[in-house]
Amino acid sequence: ETGVTQTPRHLVMGMTNKKSLKCEQHLGHNAMYWYKQSAKKPLELMFVYSLEERVENNSVPSRFSPECPNSSHLFLHLHTLQPEDSALYLCASTAVAGGYGYTFGSGTRLTVV
Amino acid sequence: RKEVEQDPGPFNVPEGATVAFNCTYSNSASQSFFWYRQDCRKEPKLLMSVYSSGNEDGRFTAQLNRASQYISLLIRDSKLSDSATYLCAVASGGSYIPTFGRGTSLIVHP
Repeated sequence: ETGVTQTPRHLVMGMTNKKSLKCEQHLGHNAMYWYKQSAKKPLELMFVYSLEERVENNSVPSRFSPECPNSSHLFLHLHTLQPEDSALYLCASTAVAGGYGYTFGSGTRLTVV
Repeated sequence: RKEVEQDPGPFNVPEGATVAFNCTYSNSASQSFFWYRQDCRKEPKLLMSVYSSGNEDGRFTAQLNRASQYISLLIRDSKLSDSATYLCAVASGGSYIPTFGRGTSLIVHP
């Protein structure tokens, strides 16, 4: 596989569920990101990891919990979400943090019911 | 004022038309500028970077106007396949992590 792969592509979860989003990059990049994209809103940066260390956390509610076990994998653990958390969650990577041009995964479309 | 602003559109143009979008940014210390293309229900993909001297790639031309703090994207000879949302991204010094605009929707019709 090449590029940035996200699973699942679609997820419907209840407000009391716990689920995880997975991202894997095959580009040898050292930085990975989680973004949230809601309808008619700009991409919102959630978390940044550089060399497996979290370097930015953009005031994201604690019901979102990231995990980066190595430079190729990134998870977003979800629990007790709200309906307003329904959105497209995009993972991205760059060679280094803040590096030139993102490569995005295809995203997970999340619906919270 | 929002950090990065774009006219959401949609811009409806016929095939073969020339269309231009602008993206304004508020931070005068911004140093890196990009245009991304996002097709419906797909992820954004890097279209081109915007250099101080401008950047041209085939039918696409990107320019930077530092004095007025905006970047532009010009598409010549529009194709049906150009229909998409075009996102601008602007990064300042320090973290260099870009802030995205909400995107401009382009619809090219026959």
